[in-house]
Amino acid sequence: GAGVSQTPSNKVTEKGKYVELRCDPISGHTALYWYRQSLGQGPEFLIYFQGTGAADDSGLPNDRFFAVRPEGSVSTLKIQRTERGDSAVYLCASSLTGGLSSYEQYFGPGTRLTVT
Amino acid sequence: GENVEQHPSTLSVQEGDSAVIKCTYSDSASNYFPWYKQELGKGPQLIIDIRSNVGEKKDQRIAVTLNKTAKHFSLHITETQPEDSAVYFCAARQAGTALIFGKGTTLSVSS
Repeated sequence: GAGVSQTPSNKVTEKGKYVELRCDPISGHTALYWYRQSLGQGPEFLIYFQGTGAADDSGLPNDRFFAVRPEGSVSTLKIQRTERGDSAVYLCASSLTGGLSSYEQYFGPGTRLTVT
Repeated sequence: GENVEQHPSTLSVQEGDSAVIKCTYSDSASNYFPWYKQELGKGPQLIIDIRSNVGEKKDQRIAVTLNKTAKHFSLHITETQPEDSAVYFCAARQAGTALIFGKGTTLSVSS
C-alpha cells in the first residue's frame, strides 16, 4: 500500500517568510510524528500527534513552529518568520498507534527546506 | 531524557565481509530499539527492530543484539553487498514517546 507522503519535496524561501509543510500518513495510522534532520545528523523529534491532538510538542524549538492535524489524518507543520537556521530536512513518520501495542514508525521521504 | 550514542561514524568494508555498528542508550526505561537505513535523498527505512524482552533477532543477513544490563545494542550485517552502502541510524524509545536517534554510521561497501 501507499507509504507516508510529504509535500513539497523541496522548498526554498526567503528569511522572514512563512512556510507550510504537509504530511499524509499511512492510511489507518493514528500516530503521526514530525522530526527535523540537519546535515550529518540523526532525526530530532519535534512533535507527536495521537489522533487530532498533540500528545507531545516538547521538541518544537520555539513558538515560530506550530503543527496541526485537524481531522486526525493529514498534518501540516507551519513555520513563521523563517530563519536560516531552520534549513533542514523535515521528516514525517506514522505508526499504527502511539501506545503500548505499536512501536514501528514509518518515515516519509522528507521536505528539504532551504531558507536564503 | 534518553541519549543514544552510535559508533563508528564511518565504516568501510569489502564486499562479502561483515559489518557491525554499536549503540548505547542512557534511559533504562527504553524498551524498543529500531535500526533505520537511509539512502541519499530518501527518508529513513526501518530494517529491523528489537524489543527489550528479546536478546537477539535475525532477518536474513541482518541481526540485532541487545544487552539490557549494559544498555547497548548492535546491528550485524553479514555478507555485505554494495547495495548495503548507506547511512544507518539506531534509535531508542519507550512506548508512547518519540524515537531518539543516534548520529548515524556511513557504511561503504566496496566491490
